[in-house]
Amino acid sequence: AQSVAQPEDQVNVAEGNPLTVKCTYSVSGNPYLFWYVQYPNRGLQFLLKYITGDNLVKGSYGFEAEFNKSQTSFHLKKPSALVSDSALYFCAVRDLTSGGSYIPTFGRGTSLIVHP
Amino acid sequence: DTGVSQNPRHKITKRGQNVTFRCDPISEHNRLYWYRQTLGQGPEFLTYFQNEAQLEKSRLLSDRFSAERPKGSFSTLEIQRTEQGDSAMYLCASSLGSGKTDTQYFGPGTRLTVL
Repeated sequence: AQSVAQPEDQVNVAEGNPLTVKCTYSVSGNPYLFWYVQYPNRGLQFLLKYITGDNLVKGSYGFEAEFNKSQTSFHLKKPSALVSDSALYFCAVRDLTSGGSYIPTFGRGTSLIVHP
Repeated sequence: DTGVSQNPRHKITKRGQNVTFRCDPISEHNRLYWYRQTLGQGPEFLTYFQNEAQLEKSRLLSDRFSAERPKGSFSTLEIQRTEQGDSAMYLCASSLGSGKTDTQYFGPGTRLTVL
């Protein structure tokens, strides 16, 4: 079974400050992890993904995420937040174990609010 | 625009009516996924096609729901005898791949309101 948890419903940060949106996961085998962003009344936009290799993954709009196998985490980060980053962020995981489902499991989402 | 498109963007219907949504994936993407999203939740998987074959269906997909992808291109999702609990955003995503490492690209969604 695979699961993902986003422990914070909302994250508040001041513009220009660094931001972190947390995600932890659980899989039987190796994880395939990704982050999406959703603006109001819009679909999800792909930000970045981790399959293997360097634990620090860089993605769109200046976002990056750090894979930590021992803590089973994949936190989303940005060095300097913009008001326009305010949106809903979803973490998702897919178990890469051979066999099993091709379907990813999404977290409940974290609302990021960046204050001017 | 060469992204995933969905029509209609909004649909309001009365309980008991049938509705059909359409999804046009990114050209040449062989996989197509349908999800449902309710307020405060992440997308919940409904069904998945590889080319024209429907390979997985969620237990969420009751007998009132049916999806097709007749030529391996666009897909339709039909809900028969709609209920108020069907009110949600219906999202379509497409990807290109044969293994488990494909990246899904989402459309803008169809928001269904059942009165």
